[in-house]
Amino acid sequence: EAGVAQSPRYKIIEKRQSVAFWCNPISGHATLYWYQQILGQGPKLLIQFQNNGVVDDSQLPKDRFSAERLKGVDSTLKIQPAKLEDSAVYLCASSLRTGGDLSSGANVLTFGAGSRLTVL
Amino acid sequence: AQKITQTQPGMFVQEKEAVTLDCTYDTSDPSYGLFWYKQPSSGEMIFLIYQGSYDQQNATEGRYSLNFQKARKSANLVISASQLGDSAMYFCAMIRFQGAQKLVFGQGTRLTINP
Repeated sequence: EAGVAQSPRYKIIEKRQSVAFWCNPISGHATLYWYQQILGQGPKLLIQFQNNGVVDDSQLPKDRFSAERLKGVDSTLKIQPAKLEDSAVYLCASSLRTGGDLSSGANVLTFGAGSRLTVL
Repeated sequence: AQKITQTQPGMFVQEKEAVTLDCTYDTSDPSYGLFWYKQPSSGEMIFLIYQGSYDQQNATEGRYSLNFQKARKSANLVISASQLGDSAMYFCAMIRFQGAQKLVFGQGTRLTINP
């Protein structure tokens, strides 16, 4: 089974520039997540999709961040304009779950390798 | 609301010893799941073990076991016979099965295995 694909792996930009990250989840996974992980911290959820609908985007800085998941498959996360504090690793993850099955592997999130952003 | 607390920023253990990484959580929901992930220096997040709130027995996966104490709201990870390759960041995480069902992570514990 192919894993979660992310690109680019590394990106360096100057503040006020824009950047876009792409994620292709595992085939058949209904739920897709974007997390931001600042160095030395745990991942913070930015946005969660169920198929192509947004389930939660309460921590997404909507004045500069946007994300979409067209056709319920791959997803793009965009930052425009970037700030110094956006320097982080952006992790994409996917899971099977579409309901409340508590005990199965449907709940397990599989992560991509991440996209490391440096804003100068 | 949901919150995960990992109180050990760093731990140092001798190779072949067992190690326990602490995790406490806070939720009023009856239905939830608890995870442990490993993040080596390469950066990828690797799933280790999962426990559902209604599971009667503690989860085990090879050298990993989850010591689930529901009344105390703790979900500690136990690694038996530690190996040098276990050196990494370890994250505890929780998902609630109501509302948005989002996975929330703790701050992590950096584990170092000494030869």
